[in-house]
Amino acid sequence: AQSVTQPDIHITVSEGASLELRCNYSYGATPYLFWYVQSPGQGLQLLLKYFSGDTLVQGIKGFEAEFKRSQSSFNLRKPSVHWSDAAEYFCAVGARGGGADGLTFGKGTHLIIQP
Amino acid sequence: NAGVTQTPKFQVLKTGQSMTLQCAQDMNHNSMYWYRQDPGMGLRLIYYSASEGTTDKGEVPNGYNVSRLNKREFSLRLESAAPSQTSVYFCASSEQVDYGYTFGSGTRLTVV
Repeated sequence: AQSVTQPDIHITVSEGASLELRCNYSYGATPYLFWYVQSPGQGLQLLLKYFSGDTLVQGIKGFEAEFKRSQSSFNLRKPSVHWSDAAEYFCAVGARGGGADGLTFGKGTHLIIQP
Repeated sequence: NAGVTQTPKFQVLKTGQSMTLQCAQDMNHNSMYWYRQDPGMGLRLIYYSASEGTTDKGEVPNGYNVSRLNKREFSLRLESAAPSQTSVYFCASSEQVDYGYTFGSGTRLTVV
């Protein structure tokens, strides 16, 4: 079974500073990987996804993530954060081979933006 | 707006009461899911439905039942609510896993 670890429960970053959120996964083959963002009181919005090809993927809101097979990682980055980026971020892994047995989510990283 | 619609948005139940959470999507997706979100636990899959007429248990199905009424609708029922079921419930749908999921805005349920 697949699993996801987000090592940082909370991260505080100053507005304008760069950001990296860590995600490590466990899966026997190359997985589908996703990052979602959840603003307070809202549902989850897809930021970006990886399933093949270029290991650096671009997403919405200026985010990018890099798939590193050797490290089983899919870290999320942004060069300069804005106050509106304060939210909960979830990494998720999905199994290849079809089926609909669900994505497995990490426990989330809460991002705080300091002025 | 196209997407996933959940009702109600908020609900307070007494222990032992029953209720059904409703979910509908208008994107013609085959697969639908129910997750619960608890602080520090992330999202955990309760039940899913790969297609109309099929349902399967996820990671935390105890205390819940589901119905895939048609391709659009997937409901979650609590037969006898318990305080441990206090949570935020999300419905999601997808065409296939590599497309990612579209989530509803959630139902915040409190069981007292």
